[in-house]
Amino acid sequence: KAGVTQTPRYLIKTRGQQVTLSCSPISGHRSVSWYQQTPGQGLQFLFEYFSETQRNKGNFPGRFSGRQFSNSRSEMNVSTLELGDSALYLCASSQTFRSGNTIYFGEGSWLTVV
Amino acid sequence: QKEVEQNSGPLSVPEGAIASLNCTYSDRVSQSFFWYRQYSGKSPELIMSIYSNGDKEDGRFTAQLNKASQYVSLLIRDSQPSDSATYLCAVSLYNQGGKLIFGQGTELSVKP
Repeated sequence: KAGVTQTPRYLIKTRGQQVTLSCSPISGHRSVSWYQQTPGQGLQFLFEYFSETQRNKGNFPGRFSGRQFSNSRSEMNVSTLELGDSALYLCASSQTFRSGNTIYFGEGSWLTVV
Repeated sequence: QKEVEQNSGPLSVPEGAIASLNCTYSDRVSQSFFWYRQYSGKSPELIMSIYSNGDKEDGRFTAQLNKASQYVSLLIRDSQPSDSATYLCAVSLYNQGGKLIFGQGTELSVKP
């Protein structure tokens, strides 16, 4: 069974640009969530989608957005990139949004903003 | 007060010893508790999940949960150098299963 797949794995962007990251969840998983990991702030929740609807959102500015498609695949977008957006972006999937579900992480997308 | 707190470490133990990792959380409605292991440059890997008070064992790993004290721990028996990693404690609230709240992680170093 394939795991959570994220693309691209590594990317370098310039300040002011925008970036789109993609995530394919484990087959059968309908909940996808996104996290940002930085050395200073640790792992922080961005948002969660289930059945194409955003269920939860973390404390990030509106420059961070996401969406989920009918096949459960998800994308997140960051507009007007800032140097501080350099981070590891992790996608995670689970079967449902209910507490107690096992959450599996993808390998992540390493974003460097220069 | 942070929602999930862990000792940042580093925690150093000799090979074969028991490593004890601790985590406290502030929200009493926290429902599910997870321990993830993260090697440098890699993504978090789930080790254990625990939902009710008491101990849960899986191989060399034992998770302990005490909801009254808002405390969850992970014991690693017979520690191996390959266990050297950062261990992340995470909690989720009822009906917010996709939203994990992470501690800062504890760096564990197992010395041969």
